[in-house]
Parts: sequence; structure tokens; C-alpha cells
Amino acid sequence: GNSVTQMEGPVTLSEEAFLTINCTYTATGYPSLFWYVQYPGEGLQLLLKATKADDKGSNKGFEATYRKETTSFHLEKGSVQVSDSAVYFCAFPSGGSNYKLTFGKGTLLTVNP
Amino acid sequence: DGGITQSPKYLFRKEGQNVTLSCEQNLNHDAMYWYRQDPGQGLRLIYYSQIVNDFQKGDIAEGYSVSREKKESFPLTVTSAQKNPTAFYLCASMETGGFSGANVLTFGAGSRLTVL
Repeated sequence: GNSVTQMEGPVTLSEEAFLTINCTYTATGYPSLFWYVQYPGEGLQLLLKATKADDKGSNKGFEATYRKETTSFHLEKGSVQVSDSAVYFCAFPSGGSNYKLTFGKGTLLTVNP
Repeated sequence: DGGITQSPKYLFRKEGQNVTLSCEQNLNHDAMYWYRQDPGQGLRLIYYSQIVNDFQKGDIAEGYSVSREKKESFPLTVTSAQKNPTAFYLCASMETGGFSGANVLTFGAGSRLTVL
């Protein structure tokens, strides 16, 4: 069945370090792919998305490229800030419906000054 | 501003009691969802509804119930049959029209339920 595998955390970095959070999926076809972010004590919010193969989603300095060859959608940022400390979730539509998302288990990122 | 309002933010319940979590949206979205979040387990889908007066079970529906009498509202009842109800509950909505590959979930701020 459809599933998403996300790099386990926690991840601890110093400010201005490079970030990669891996995400791979198993699905039928080529679904849209999403990264959501959850700041402490809040709900999730969309960080970026890609709707077809080779698309690159970007927002707030974060990027992720839809790689159909490796079924991956890794999240990257060249220089993290303390304010990026949050939990990051990879997600995609599953169960044969574009309206039902499956989420990874989340990766906790802590950025130290 | 449009958004999703969940209430209460914090709720305490004694064992054996039912409790209802409120979720209201003014985004005019057709679909609404309830997720449960536990440490280390990510988000798990409890129930979802794509139109008024219709809803489907998600992956962990046992011990929960919902209703969808109005487009704006999707309350979740945690019943006494739910064996481990302490968790963070997230409500979300989605606009289901338009380009089918681009639908995005909008989340509320969550409700934290603690069973004493």
C-alpha cells in the first residue's frame, strides 16, 4: 500500500548549518508531494509542495525536488536559523484519493545559536 | 481572516467520560478532517468528511464519533470506548475543487486532551 518514510530525528544543528531531511514514498502513479511544518504548540502549516515529477517546491529558503526515479522528496535548506526549529512532516495523497493525505512520522529540528 | 478554530485548546477528562472537541472553519472548504498526534507517531487520520452529512472512518476511528450537519462544523467526540485518549487532536480542512493534484490541508491550532 501507499506509505511515506521520513528520516527519524531529532536533528540538532548550529545556526547557518546545512539541513537535509530525507523523505521517500511508495505510491501508485505520481502523486503531489508536500512538506508541512509544525512550530511549538501550533497546528501544521504547508511549507512547500510539488505537483509533478522534477518540480521543485520552495519557500522560506527551503527547497525540495520531486524525484520520481528515486521516489524521493528530500527537504533542504542551505543555512538554517534558530527560528526554523520545528517538526517537519512529509506527506502525500494516498488511498486512491487526492483528498486524503498520509503523513510521515515527523522530524524534530532544533537549531542552536 | 479565514481559518479554522478549534476549542477548547486544553481539556481534561476523567476516565469513563465522553468529551466533544469543536472544529469550525470559515474557509468554505468542502472537506474536513480529524487527526490524532502522538509523540513519535506522526499524524493518524481518525475521520474525514468530503461533504455535508457524509463522513468516512480513517485509520484509527475506534472509540471516536463525528457529525457533519453543517459545512462549517465538524465536531469530534472522544468516547469512553477510546482506551488511550490522551493526545493532541488536529482538525483540518481542504478545498476539493480545482486542479486535483494541488489540494492543500489547512490546520487548526489543535486541542490537547488529557485523561486524568
